[in-house]
Amino acid sequence: EPEVTQTPSHQVTQMGQEVILRCVPISNHLYFYWYRQILGQKVEFLVSFYNNEISEKSEIFDDQFSVERPDGSNFTLKIRSTKLEDSAMYFCASNSNMNTEAFFGQGTRLTVV
Amino acid sequence: RKEVEQDPGPFNVPEGATVAFNCTYSNSASQSFFWYRQDCRKEPKLLMSVYSSGNEDGRFTAQLNRASQYISLLIRDSKLSDSATYLCVVLGGATNKLIFGTGTLLAVQP
Repeated sequence: EPEVTQTPSHQVTQMGQEVILRCVPISNHLYFYWYRQILGQKVEFLVSFYNNEISEKSEIFDDQFSVERPDGSNFTLKIRSTKLEDSAMYFCASNSNMNTEAFFGQGTRLTVV
Repeated sequence: RKEVEQDPGPFNVPEGATVAFNCTYSNSASQSFFWYRQDCRKEPKLLMSVYSSGNEDGRFTAQLNRASQYISLLIRDSKLSDSATYLCVVLGGATNKLIFGTGTLLAVQP
């Protein structure tokens, strides 16, 4: 069964460092997303991406964040100058149609120390 | 009003019980509705989509009331393996982002 894969599963970084979270969406999907979930809180939308550009972003997704699809398979989230409050699970998701359910990767647990 | 609001939980039920979760959403233009399940420290996984006519998948029944902006999930004959957080998820009207409720924790006791 096709699935969304994310690497790494866990990343520990020092405050102020840059991190890149990687995702391989399901191959025939066209819409890609990043969500995050701070421990004990709800899943929050960060950004959606379609046709090689951002289609929507939340207030959380400020200049500290960027996304890229560097090749035909990978979808990355870059967080510059990480802060303690960036510690969370980051989920990548994809779907084939914008009105259908999205499939989530297993997440990257980011810990900023 | 929160975009998606769910029962606070937790729900502690014995095996074999029937349990119902409720959810309301604020955007009347919302197009699609889902129940996801999330195990502790894992990713959300789709449990079922929710249709206006109501739909059933084995022990699980989902209902949508567009007029009341209300979604429900019924689980019959609860199993220990049903223990998880159940997330009510709404796809916004003019957007393709999923909006999640805070989730309701279900603990099925032996």
